[in-house]
Amino acid sequence: QSVLTQPPSVSGAPGQRVTISCTGSSSNIGAGYDVHWYQQIPGTAPKLLIYSNTNRPSGVPDRFSGSKSGTSASLAITGVQAEDEADYYCQSYDISLSVSGVFGGGTKLTVL
Amino acid sequence: QVRLQQWGAGLLKPSETLSLTCAVYGGSFSDYFWTWIRQPPGKGLEWIGEINHSGSTNYNSSLKSRVTISVDTSKNQFSLKLTSVTAADTAVYFCARACSGPPYYMDVWGKGTTVTAS
Repeated sequence: QSVLTQPPSVSGAPGQRVTISCTGSSSNIGAGYDVHWYQQIPGTAPKLLIYSNTNRPSGVPDRFSGSKSGTSASLAITGVQAEDEADYYCQSYDISLSVSGVFGGGTKLTVL
Repeated sequence: QVRLQQWGAGLLKPSETLSLTCAVYGGSFSDYFWTWIRQPPGKGLEWIGEINHSGSTNYNSSLKSRVTISVDTSKNQFSLKLTSVTAADTAVYFCARACSGPPYYMDVWGKGTTVTAS
């Protein structure tokens, strides 16, 4: 059972807007800790997509955006493309677990 | 361009010790934390622990009794040891560079090493 809760799967047609939620609690996201997002193509290492809630590393397309409010965060893909089909993970910090890195369970994005 | 190259034994028997090493090429070694993360087959990511250049460590409490992460600054390498492995430790193990936290974000990753305990 992950500390951060993500939907197991989401889907969208090419060009649509897709969002993935990451729900935490007062001991992690709600405590003010940043949320980071990763994209993982099966069989490869995760890739940093969004850091510190809203920031995109160099090279990440601007169709990817992040937001955070209260005890939750969201990743949005505006104009989803076939190449975006992957698993997505959120990550934050939890003070009650004394664990520097906690991940969501992951969300599989299917592009229809 | 920073690159992480990792290696170690891929097949272990239960009760043996998992040992992996990750070498850092390019960039600063002392300005970051360095982490290990694993992913069981078909499952999500699990943070194992982290270390900095001076040897300061943090571990996942669920693994703390079996995990040791160490650093060799002369070689820009860091290593993971996990004792008394069981089938539950079967996973792909990744090393990664951790930035600016907690919570640190991992911006450079190794390719992963598949470890099977059977």
